[in-house]
Amino acid sequence: DVKVTQSSRYLVKRTGEKVFLECVQDMDHENMFWYRQDPGLGLRLIYFSYDVKMKEKGDIPEGYSVSREKKERFSLILESASTNQTSMYLCASSAGTATEAFFGQGTRLTVV
Amino acid sequence: AQKITQTQPGMFVQEKEAVTLDCTYDTSDQSYGLFWYKQPSSGEMIFLIYQGSYDEQNATEGRYSLNFQKARKSANLVISASQLGDSAMYFCAMVSGNTGKLIFGQGTTLQVKP
Repeated sequence: DVKVTQSSRYLVKRTGEKVFLECVQDMDHENMFWYRQDPGLGLRLIYFSYDVKMKEKGDIPEGYSVSREKKERFSLILESASTNQTSMYLCASSAGTATEAFFGQGTRLTVV
Repeated sequence: AQKITQTQPGMFVQEKEAVTLDCTYDTSDQSYGLFWYKQPSSGEMIFLIYQGSYDEQNATEGRYSLNFQKARKSANLVISASQLGDSAMYFCAMVSGNTGKLIFGQGTTLQVKP
């Protein structure tokens, strides 16, 4: 059974903290993605990676960075968390451009 | 710039009726793919259907079909014979470019009435 696993389902952090969201996939996929989902705004792409150590900015990269040191793991980093980063974060992976993406269960992050 | 637009925030449909969810896209790439995903209230993302830009036939998967109009840059999802379990958020998505960047629209909430 294919799997994308996000390290936390719920997370509460304080303003100014450095936050790490981890995502691991077991399908040997080339592509991995980080999105945030907000009501009325759909899924907005933060960053994606098309190979180990390769990354590309999405539509809303400000305030975020990413790391992909190994093929199976893609980390999203909030350098200094702010309340406007309170959101649902979804990780996904895919094998290529013509194949479906598989999603993790999501991490609901609250910054207080 | 690549963009996906879903202009219907919410839709209602009577059980057993057909419904069309709209999606328009914008890309300068000649090769691209279009997807539809379903997100029930549980939050999981469920892949429904895929259409490649060079596919001549409209994609179909069971009760789902994708009405692909390339000249209009539209990729509407048609659900036939709606069921109560179809009530969910539906997202249109596009992958384009060599790197496989995948972007999503704003989503449409579908409610099926008994």
